[in-house]
Amino acid sequence: DAGVIQSPRHEVTEMGQEVTLRCKPISGHDYLFWYRQTMMRGLELLIYFNNNVPIDDSGMPEDRFSAKMPNASFSTLKIQPSEPRDSAVYFCASSSIRGVNEQYFGPGTRLTVT
Amino acid sequence: KQEVTQIPAALSVPEGENLVLNCSFTDSAIYNLQWFRQDPGKGLTSLLLIQSSQREQTSGRLNASLDKSSGRSTLYIAASQPGDSATYLCAVKGGANNLFFGTGTRLTVIP
Repeated sequence: DAGVIQSPRHEVTEMGQEVTLRCKPISGHDYLFWYRQTMMRGLELLIYFNNNVPIDDSGMPEDRFSAKMPNASFSTLKIQPSEPRDSAVYFCASSSIRGVNEQYFGPGTRLTVT
Repeated sequence: KQEVTQIPAALSVPEGENLVLNCSFTDSAIYNLQWFRQDPGKGLTSLLLIQSSQREQTSGRLNASLDKSSGRSTLYIAASQPGDSATYLCAVKGGANNLFFGTGTRLTVIP
């Protein structure tokens, strides 16, 4: 298996622009998670899906952030409008209850908002 | 809310030494605990997962233990190698499926 795939790997954008991050989970996994990592706050869960349905979005910082999972093999995290404080590494992870929910992480997207 | 603490924040050891990394958590009602490795600029690689009913897991030179009642886990690395240099993160999973991460221990193994 190719593992969790994320794109782009790096994104540099100007404040106010829309940013879309993409994730393809491991085939057969029924949970998908979006995390953000910063030096100040470490790794934080933003939102997670089960069977394409958002279960807990309490970690989404504000209404500028939105996430979708239109099917089992694709998810997006959108920031609109972006702000410099959104600069971080965004990770996607997936897991399967059959795999005792061990989470597998993608390589991350490093976002810089200038 | 679950709080996960890792000490030390950084550790430097000579090659060949055995070492222990510590992780503590405040809420013992966990589903499992997972240890990850993160190399600079990279994603997280899962090393070991311990279910709440288990006491330890082993993989090669790595051994992770779990004492749920006291809210502690340790990661033991035997015969450390320069390639073990990375940041090690522990994460606990509650019933809600989300992971709570510690801030990590940055390990440097000196050749």
